[in-house]
Amino acid sequence: KAGVTQTPRYLIKTRGQQVTLSCSPISGHRSVSWYQQTPGQGLQFLFEYFSETQRNKGNFPGRFSGRQFSNSRSEMNVSTLELGDSALYLCASTPDRRAGNTIYFGEGSWLTVV
Amino acid sequence: AQSVTQLDSQVPVFEEAPVELRCNYSSSVSVYLFWYVQYPNQGLQLLLKYLSGSTLVKGINGFEAEFNKSQTSFHLRKPSVHISDTAEYFCAVSDRGYGNKLVFGAGTILRVKS
Repeated sequence: KAGVTQTPRYLIKTRGQQVTLSCSPISGHRSVSWYQQTPGQGLQFLFEYFSETQRNKGNFPGRFSGRQFSNSRSEMNVSTLELGDSALYLCASTPDRRAGNTIYFGEGSWLTVV
Repeated sequence: AQSVTQLDSQVPVFEEAPVELRCNYSSSVSVYLFWYVQYPNQGLQLLLKYLSGSTLVKGINGFEAEFNKSQTSFHLRKPSVHISDTAEYFCAVSDRGYGNKLVFGAGTILRVKS
C-alpha cells in the first residue's frame, strides 16, 4: 500500500509569489491534515480536511489555504510568500476523524522562499 | 489549550546504553499521547501511542513509554540504543473525540555515539 505522497519534494519561490503543494493520502484515507515545520516554531498544525470540507484550522494567516477533492487528494496554497514561510510542509492522512487514529505522514515538501 | 514540553533539546548517549526522552503535557481535557520519530529528510513515523488501558505502552524498534497521569508525563525509553536510533523524536497530544489535530513538543534530538 502506497504511503502519503507529496509533490513537489523541493521548490524555491520568490517573495510575493504563490505556491501550491499537493498531497495524495493513503488509499482509503479520507482525512487529510497539513503541518508546517520550521526550526524556530517547530511543528504546527495548519488545517484538516474531511469530505472536502475544512474541519479544523490552526493559527495561520489567511494567506494559507487548502482544499480537498472528492478523491481525498488535497492541496494547500500559500499566497504572497514571505521569507518566514520557508519550511517543510507535511501532509498527513487517517481513515476518518476519530481521534486516536494513527496519523501517517508524508515525506514533506521543502519550500524555500528567497 | 494544550501544550507539550520536551525537557531536553538534545540527548547524547553511547551505543547500547539506555535512554529516556522526557515529555510533559498540559491540557484542560483528557488527551491521547503519541511519540513520533523523524529521520533526516524524512516525514514523521509513529513509534507508539497511548489511548487508554495499561499505562506502559510498547512501540516499534524496542521503544516503550509510560503514561503518568498525576505527573502529566509520557516519557519514552529504550533499554539499549543503536546508532540507527539517531533521529529527532517528537511527543504529541490530541484531544479525545473527533479530529486529528496533533499538538507537538519542540522535539528531542537523540545522538547515539559509538
